[in-house]
Formats: sequence, structure tokens, C-alpha cells
Amino acid sequence: GAVVSQHPSRVICKSGTSVKIECRSLDFQATTMFWYRQFPKKSLMLMATSNEGSKATYEQGVEKDKFLINHASLTLSTLTVTSAHPEDSSFYICSARRGQGAYEQYFGPGTRLTVT
Amino acid sequence: DAKTTQPTSMDCAEGRAANLPCNHSTISGNEYVYWYRQIHSQGPQYIIHGLKNNETNEMASLIITEDRKSSTLILPHATLRDTAVYYCIVRAWGNSGGYQKVTFGTGTKLQVIP
Repeated sequence: GAVVSQHPSRVICKSGTSVKIECRSLDFQATTMFWYRQFPKKSLMLMATSNEGSKATYEQGVEKDKFLINHASLTLSTLTVTSAHPEDSSFYICSARRGQGAYEQYFGPGTRLTVT
Repeated sequence: DAKTTQPTSMDCAEGRAANLPCNHSTISGNEYVYWYRQIHSQGPQYIIHGLKNNETNEMASLIITEDRKSSTLILPHATLRDTAVYYCIVRAWGNSGGYQKVTFGTGTKLQVIP
């Protein structure tokens, strides 16, 4: 149990275009989902936290208008990178927390974004 | 969340126990110690967590010192598939004060050697 999937696993897009990444909790309802970004040989950096049905809370320095997060259901959150630039190329990882009071977070396999 | 300090890297011979230390001297009473690992190009994987008692599961053991200022993750018989970056994280449990986000440090890169 407690599986989190991401789609796509890899995506290449051109500068200026937008790309959407999906994060799904497959066998549990996730009241809270998190989005991370990881550059090569670096640690994961939290971008934003979202609760189902409410606006995401972004970490300092993360542009909310550039990284649009939607958490429309208890099993799906999406991250849309708008007007992508090469410097947005990174490994994007989501995680999900199962229910109120749950203390474990389950991570997705990540999405490799390359902007050309 | 309390800050943690881990060695940058460690080597371990295959089949031997891997002992990964973590210092968290500023941990507060309601904070748990969590361990995750990340195999190259994959999402992090939860390993184990504990408050003050030692814990063991099918993956590893967690030894927490009595003063809770440090802990050790033990992989009893390391295999090549255990090569990964291991993250030690401390954070409070519960819903008070926020969404319980996990903040990653730099972790320890464990290399299991044949």
C-alpha cells in the first residue's frame, strides 16, 4: 500500500511552453501533497504544500504564478510549469501524506523535466 | 524543525552492517527522528522513524541515544541495492502548527562495495 505515482516520468519541452506533471496517490486518500525540486547532486528542495480543495502554500523564493499547483481531489495533485525556461530543467518529486495525523510521507518516483 | 548533521559519504562492504550516524542536538521533545533514502534518480523512500525508543523494522534499525541528541541508522546486512543517499530528518508529529512538511538536508551518500 501507500503508492504514489507521477506522470510523466520524463518530459522534454521547448522554452516558453508549459508542462503539467501529475501526482497520484493510488491506494489512499492524500489530504496533503508536497512538491519538491531537485537539481543534480543536490538535495530535495520543497517548493510548495497543498491541501485538497485549498490554495497551495509556496516556499519562499518559489513563484506561484510560474509553478501552478492544483489539488482538486484527494488522490490527484498537478504541478504546471508555465513559460518554461532551461533553468527550470530539474527533477520534480511529489509526496503525499495520508490523512489527518498521519506522520509518514510517501514519495513519487519523480519526473525529469528538460527544457530546450 | 531541528537541524541535523550527517557525514557526507560512507563506504560499507557488502554483507556487513552499515551504521549511519546523525546528530540532532537541538531536537525538541515533540520531534521524531525519521530516515529516508533516495536511490539515484528515484523518489525518496521512507525507512524508519522513532521518538526515543530504539526501533526495528524489516529494512533497518534505529538507535536513538538517551539524550536524543543523536541517532544511528543500521542496515544489518548491506547489499549493493542499498547504495543510496540517506537522509536523517527530525520533525514534530501531529497537525498542530502546519502541514508537517519534510525538509531535507544534504544526507549521507552510502556506497556499498562488493
